[in-house]
Amino acid sequence: QVQLVQSGAEVKKPGASVKVSCKASGYTFTNYGISWVRQAPGQGLEWMGWISPYNGNTDYAQKLQGRVTMTTHTSTSTAYMELRSLRSDDTAVYYCAISRATGWRDWGQGTLVTVSS
Amino acid sequence: EIVLTQSPGTLSLSPGERATLSCRASQSVSSSFLAWYQQRPGQAPRLLIYGASSRATGIPDRFSGSGSGTDFTLTITRLEPEDFAVYYCHHYGSSPYTFGQGTRLEI
Repeated sequence: QVQLVQSGAEVKKPGASVKVSCKASGYTFTNYGISWVRQAPGQGLEWMGWISPYNGNTDYAQKLQGRVTMTTHTSTSTAYMELRSLRSDDTAVYYCAISRATGWRDWGQGTLVTVSS
Repeated sequence: EIVLTQSPGTLSLSPGERATLSCRASQSVSSSFLAWYQQRPGQAPRLLIYGASSRATGIPDRFSGSGSGTDFTLTITRLEPEDFAVYYCHHYGSSPYTFGQGTRLEI
């Protein structure tokens, strides 16, 4: 069965960087893009960007341009999301999801990133 | 950027009743790429509907989606206790992908 397993919770200081991983299994990794979505405490869902594991193409949300980098490692079927220059309002649960045309059915379990001095 | 506005913000109903949730887009959205998700506390979003009206695998038939253009609706007939959660509409046809702000369905 399809599974996305994310790395564990992180606590970071303002100005630091965080890199979250998302290991995929149960399907051909290069067949579908991976989107990253975050959710601040008590808030809604925010799309951060997308990466194609097939060719590495990326598309980032404008508000995160310059601070976010998404990559993939096809040999291990793992996607990564790095966010730099962290601020307190980056505190959120970060999710990866398989971006299918038939809806985003498969999501990781989420990774809590806390930014606090 | 397409802004999705959901209404109402909170919907208070009882088990057995019918829920109607609305999602209005700031510009026309391809129906092929309009989805609805359910999110329970502490859980990842769960895909309910894609393509505006197609139920995802394993989703009970009490959930249905409809609409086109700028107006979309999620209907839940005969509410079950486990249906009380937050619901999001989502457009993923063109970048930037966006989500509505959510409708909280509460008892």
